[in-house]
Amino acid sequence: EADIYQTPRYLVIGTGKKITLECSQTMGHDKMYWYQQDPGMELHLIHYSYGVNSTEKGDLSSESTVSRIRTEHFPLTLESARPSHTSQYLCASWGQGARETQYFGPGTRLLVL
Amino acid sequence: SQQGEEDPQALSIQEGENATMNCSYKTSINNLQWYRQNSGRGLVHLILIRSNEREKHSGRLRVTLDTSKKSSSLLITASRAADTASYFCATDAGNTPLVFGKGTRLSVIA
Repeated sequence: EADIYQTPRYLVIGTGKKITLECSQTMGHDKMYWYQQDPGMELHLIHYSYGVNSTEKGDLSSESTVSRIRTEHFPLTLESARPSHTSQYLCASWGQGARETQYFGPGTRLLVL
Repeated sequence: SQQGEEDPQALSIQEGENATMNCSYKTSINNLQWYRQNSGRGLVHLILIRSNEREKHSGRLRVTLDTSKKSSSLLITASRAADTASYFCATDAGNTPLVFGKGTRLSVIA
């Protein structure tokens, strides 16, 4: 298992609430990513970062925002949750070195009522 | 945009049989990777094959890459019930995020 963590693992919340999904990694990786995935379906890249103070939007239009103030931390915020945001959110990181692979966190399952 | 496409979308086999999954992509790549995802979990990296390689092995896994056809295959030999998972290919084209395919859902029946 990689040293990448996501909290909470599960979240049930009402429509209109502001939520922040946390992601942190202890590997010193520069690149971090957020994906949205319905169970067993394809991954959609929603945000990524190549380093501190660098953030980019991915392929999937999203009403979320991210920040990258510290290398190890890449939180995702939904200002106003809606039922259409119900999904699984996966965080990943990628660092320079011998292994050119992405390491994934365990995911956050979000249910918006 | 997604460029990896796995085939089949779902596969069900008996324990002990071999499972083959295919992946096609559209543009030039530096390498292609296969990942596994157990239900409700994050993805785990299985194997990477570079664009100048044609075949690679890791335990019961065998990956091939045909850059002329822009396709790759993942073979799992002597499958076990514990191999039940979704398998995704992902292409690395350089300094851009990995592009993941839609996945193949493998069920291995004991």
